[in-house]
Amino acid sequence: GNSVTQMEGPVTLSEEAFLTINCTYTATGYPSLFWYVQYPGEGLQLLLKATKADDKGSNKGFEATYRKETTSFHLEKGSVQVSDSAVYFCALSETYNQGGKLIFGQGTELSVKP
Amino acid sequence: DAGVTQSPTHLIKTRGQQVTLRCSPISGHKSVSWYQQVLGQGPQFIFQYYEKEERGRGNFPDRFSARQFPNYSSELNVNALLLGDSALYLCASSRGVSETEQYFGPGTRLTVT
Repeated sequence: GNSVTQMEGPVTLSEEAFLTINCTYTATGYPSLFWYVQYPGEGLQLLLKATKADDKGSNKGFEATYRKETTSFHLEKGSVQVSDSAVYFCALSETYNQGGKLIFGQGTELSVKP
Repeated sequence: DAGVTQSPTHLIKTRGQQVTLRCSPISGHKSVSWYQQVLGQGPQFIFQYYEKEERGRGNFPDRFSARQFPNYSSELNVNALLLGDSALYLCASSRGVSETEQYFGPGTRLTVT
């Protein structure tokens, strides 16, 4: 079945460092890909998305490119801030007869130190 | 516009009890999905409802049930609670049944003792 694998955390960076969180997926068909962020004690917020191969999703300085050839959707940011500390989830869409759902990776915790 | 709302925020139950969680979708969204997030893991799909009908179900036992009301709000019920049901229960809404850009509520933290 479809699945998402993320790099394990926690990832600890200093402020203004470059961030990469790796995400690879296994899927039949052509799913949409998403990054969600979860701040402590909160629900998930949609960070960015890409709906087809070679699409680049971007938001708040974060970027991810849908790479079909490597089945990857790595999250990057050029300069992280303390406020970026959160858990990041990569997800893919799976449609089925009369419905659609998200399949998530296990999450990667990011901690940014001043 | 208000986002997805869920109630209650926190809940403590005893093994064997039953619980009902509530969700109101974003205005204009007709599909509601429920996810279970165990500590340290990604959310797992439980149900999707659209136009008051179940459109999808994840790999959860029959102790889990849900329904959707004419105003598109939804309830998730869990019977005969087990310790392993302790989790954050997330509700997500989307405009259409097959649209997978979903917007999540803050969740209900359920603790089973």
